Amino acid sequence: EPEVTQTPSHQVTQMGQEVILRCVPISNHLYFYWYRQILGQKVEFLVSFYNNEISEKSEIFDDQFSVERPDGSNFTLKIRSTKLEDSAMYFCASNTNLGETQYFGPGTRLLVL
Amino acid sequence: AQSVTQPDIHITVSEGASLELRCNYSYGATPYLFWYVQSPGQGLQLLLKYFSGDTLVQGIKGFEAEFKRSQSSFNLRKPSVHWSDAAEYFCAVGPSGAGSYQLTFGKGTKLSVIP
Repeated sequence: EPEVTQTPSHQVTQMGQEVILRCVPISNHLYFYWYRQILGQKVEFLVSFYNNEISEKSEIFDDQFSVERPDGSNFTLKIRSTKLEDSAMYFCASNTNLGETQYFGPGTRLLVL
Repeated sequence: AQSVTQPDIHITVSEGASLELRCNYSYGATPYLFWYVQSPGQGLQLLLKYFSGDTLVQGIKGFEAEFKRSQSSFNLRKPSVHWSDAAEYFCAVGPSGAGSYQLTFGKGTKLSVIP
């Protein structure tokens, strides 16, 4: 069964450094998402991406964040200058169409020191 | 704005006992409703979903959920819990309207299973 994959599984970085989180969505999916989950809190929407542009973003997704689909398979989330409060589990998700089930990857646990 | 409430932060049940996890939502129209499960260190796995039609939906691993519009609820049930069901369970609603794509999650209910 096809699945969403994410790399790395864990990332430790120093405050102020740039990080890139990578995701490979399911191959025939057209909509891509990033969510995050701060330890002990609920999963929060960050951004959705369709047709090579951002469809929707939350208040969390400020200028420090960007997303890109650099080729036909990868979908990346970049944090330009990490802050301590960016420490969280970041989930990528994808689906075939608006309103259809979003399938989530295993997540990348980011720790900012 | 849509919201999801899971009133129980942590539930402990004995193996073999029945389970009901509560979920209430706030949404302006007929929602799409989901239950996801997250095992320790794992991602989010879809258990079941409701889009329309029959209000009792069956999912994987023997779970079911019932959509009750009058109560704005979508409670998850399982008749007999197995130790492997210990995990965190998230109710979600979405998308939030025309042109919106996001899922809104509840805070989750952690399930512990005792032998």
